[in-house]
Amino acid sequence: AQSVTQLDSQVPVFEEAPVELRCNYSSSVSVYLFWYVQYPNQGLQLLLKYLSGSTLVESINGFEAEFNKSQTSFHLRKPSVHISDTAEYFCAVTWTSGSRLTFGEGTQLTVNP
Amino acid sequence: DTGVSQDPRHKITKRGQNVTFRCDPISEHNRLYWYRQTLGQGPEFLTYFQNEAQLEKSRLLSDRFSAERPKGSFSTLEIQRTEQGDSAMYLCASSLRLPETQYFGPGTRLLVL
Repeated sequence: AQSVTQLDSQVPVFEEAPVELRCNYSSSVSVYLFWYVQYPNQGLQLLLKYLSGSTLVESINGFEAEFNKSQTSFHLRKPSVHISDTAEYFCAVTWTSGSRLTFGEGTQLTVNP
Repeated sequence: DTGVSQDPRHKITKRGQNVTFRCDPISEHNRLYWYRQTLGQGPEFLTYFQNEAQLEKSRLLSDRFSAERPKGSFSTLEIQRTEQGDSAMYLCASSLRLPETQYFGPGTRLLVL
């Protein structure tokens, strides 16, 4: 079965420190990759996505992720985090043969002052 | 564009009762998805509609669950004879085409006592 693995369930960091949230998926066939962010008691908001083209994608609030086909990874990075980045982050994949999103179990990012 | 809306936002019910949730997608989106998210987990796919046709159902969707999208606009998800294990956040998402981004609503949080 196709699966998504987020290697860290919790990542605590200090404000202005860099952060990397790791995501690996199981199959190397054509994929579309997404990162969603979820604040407490809210739905999911799209952070960034890879559909095709450049393997490095960026969001408007300073996050970036790189699609690495050989390592089947789509890690999320930010060079300097803010308190407001505290949230749960979900990596999700859709394989081109289907429409459903398969999510990882999430990474809780906590930014401390 | 008013986004995806869901009603109610919260529902508390007693075991054995039936509940129904509603999802209104973004108006021009012809694809609609239901997911379930339990505490500390990523969302899991339940079912998917293209217009009024239900094209895919997860094995998670037992016989007690039924979803409809009668006119290709809003959708309802009904759970009959609720069980405590049905307690979760039920998320609805919509998209315009494959592999376009799925936009999520705020969710309906169900608690079965």
